[in-house]
Amino acid sequence: GAGVSQSPSNKVTEKGKDVELRCDPISGHTALYWYRQRLGQGLEFLIYFQGNSAPDKSGLPSDRFSAERTGESVSTLTIQRTQQEDSAVYLCASSLASIGALSEQYFGPGTRLTVT
Amino acid sequence: AQSVAQPEDQVNVAEGNPLTVKCTYSVSGNPYLFWYVQYPNRGLQFLLKYITGDNLVKGSYGFEAEFNKSQTSFHLKKPSALVSDSALYFCAVSPTGTASKLTFGTGTRLQVTL
Repeated sequence: GAGVSQSPSNKVTEKGKDVELRCDPISGHTALYWYRQRLGQGLEFLIYFQGNSAPDKSGLPSDRFSAERTGESVSTLTIQRTQQEDSAVYLCASSLASIGALSEQYFGPGTRLTVT
Repeated sequence: AQSVAQPEDQVNVAEGNPLTVKCTYSVSGNPYLFWYVQYPNRGLQFLLKYITGDNLVKGSYGFEAEFNKSQTSFHLKKPSALVSDSALYFCAVSPTGTASKLTFGTGTRLQVTL
């Protein structure tokens, strides 16, 4: 079946511009996650959606970052007024089950964001 | 707060030899532990997980990992490495009883040579 998809695969933007990244989770997966992977570093948790519950936004690094999810489908991560330190690969993952930790996360290929 | 340490940036192994990729963790309570692999130009793939029960967990592609509570470790192992195992490996932890917010290590690059 289809896996997690993300678009665009690459995005180059100028400092100060807004960007929107998209994630299509696996159909039926109730949980959706966004992570950031800076060059040479591990994954950094950003935000977690579970069904209709309020999202866990505790990993968002600043108020320039926001994310939305429509029901149990598509999610968008928006970065406003981008800065060079926002350059990274942004990964989306989805999983089954209401207790996410029990179910492995399936990752998309990521969006490589470069801020010039 | 939980944390994961992967002390080796890179592990080099000859094909056919056993491999070990190390991981130690710090978490309040009992952990959920995971290993993921990232092949070049591909997304992260799940390898295996420890939730409870037998300390030796078997996963995909012949990999296994041993949970050691006293040493707070979850090392990844394979009896006989293949060149195709060359990739970036990530260990991750989440505390039990919480909605998943995985904390990942910085990754270990495994290089298997002929």
